[in-house]
Amino acid sequence: GESVGLHLPTLSVQEGDNSIINCAYSNSASDYFIWYKQESGKGPQFIIDIRSNMDKRQGQRVTVLLNKTVKHLSLQIAATQPGDSAVYFCAENIQSGTGNQFYFGTGTSLTVIP
Amino acid sequence: DARVTQTPRHKVTEMGQEVTMRCQPILGHNTVFWYRQTMMQGLELLAYFRNRAPLDDSGMPKDRFSAEMPDATLATLKIQPSEPRDSAVYFCASGHFAGLLHFGNGTRLTVT
Repeated sequence: GESVGLHLPTLSVQEGDNSIINCAYSNSASDYFIWYKQESGKGPQFIIDIRSNMDKRQGQRVTVLLNKTVKHLSLQIAATQPGDSAVYFCAENIQSGTGNQFYFGTGTSLTVIP
Repeated sequence: DARVTQTPRHKVTEMGQEVTMRCQPILGHNTVFWYRQTMMQGLELLAYFRNRAPLDDSGMPKDRFSAEMPDATLATLKIQPSEPRDSAVYFCASGHFAGLLHFGNGTRLTVT
């Protein structure tokens, strides 16, 4: 399969600070990227996505940046809250002859310190 | 909110037994994925369906795993015979083709 990796497996931040979670991908043909948040005992939940024709997309308190030159994706969370504590995954979508497939990174565990 | 429903949420079984996990995708979604999550391997793609047809099951051990979609509202993942190394959380996800995936809350399988 394709390689999608995260630079940091764990991240601790103070409540109110901004968080940045990074992701590297290896396939230059990837055209769609998604960030998911997974809380304990639940499935991954969609946070924000971005297509390869964009380099930045903003949501509520979250921003995703895409640097296709270095195949790098980041998730920025503003004013991090205790409820943001979770594991965050990036996923890349690759379209092939058999359709589209999503490959996930190993995840980064974010802990917010009150 | 429409959601992907997986049953059972937890399953404990003995080695050698058959395990069946079920998934009800979101109505109208035409792609269904099965993933396995472990601490060591993260999220691994097992199988992928589009319009109920299996497109890719290369991530699945063929000798013991099988995935089917008997109809548009049900996807199943079977393990026969189960082994302790199959212990993991199994997720089903559905979506529109080339669109984002919506995940269920998983089936936590423990094989003793």
